[in-house]
Amino acid sequence: KQEVTQIPAALSVPEGENLVLNCSFTDSAIYNLQWFRQDPGKGLTSLLLIQSSQREQTSGRLNASLDKSSGRSTLYIAASQPGDSATYLCAGNYGGATNKLIFGTGTLLAVQP
Amino acid sequence: NAGVTQTPKFQVLKTGQSMTLQCAQDMNHNSMYWYRQDPGMGLRLIYYSASEGTTDKGEVPNGYNVSRLNKREFSLRLESAAPSQTSVYFCASSGLGAPGETQYFGPGTRLLVL
Repeated sequence: KQEVTQIPAALSVPEGENLVLNCSFTDSAIYNLQWFRQDPGKGLTSLLLIQSSQREQTSGRLNASLDKSSGRSTLYIAASQPGDSATYLCAGNYGGATNKLIFGTGTLLAVQP
Repeated sequence: NAGVTQTPKFQVLKTGQSMTLQCAQDMNHNSMYWYRQDPGMGLRLIYYSASEGTTDKGEVPNGYNVSRLNKREFSLRLESAAPSQTSVYFCASSGLGAPGETQYFGPGTRLLVL
């Protein structure tokens, strides 16, 4: 069964700290892995998408890595800010007829000023 | 360019009532999706439409029906709402629905069934 897991479920850090969010997946046959941000009461905003052939992607203070062999992805946030507080979701895209996304349950991040 | 829009934003229903959730996209995308998000469960696919005129079941279709009205609009209907359908519902779309293609999400509809 294709499953995506995110640990920890919640994380609180002081402003300025670097942090890593973890995502693991059971089926390595993914097309890509995507990280989303979800603010309270809002929809999902795509942050980074890593193709299965790539090892990492960077956008500003965000860096996402992908290791298919171990079934893991990480999202690194440098110099965290209170505005980074949100829920972060990862999703493995397994393609197929549905362009199927399997979502993790998310990590709720709080950056304390 | 509004992207993916959903109406209503919030809704409270009584058990047994019916309602339709509306979704529209202005990106000329072929594929559209309905997900539900429950605490501790992540987002799960209810139905999808690979192109205008086609719809197929996802992971959790029971209790729902969908209509792909045209290329822009994809509606989700609850014929007889149950408390188990209390959830946040997200609509998404992607260009061709090709494997690995990015999906763009709407802001969600928060539904409470009493």
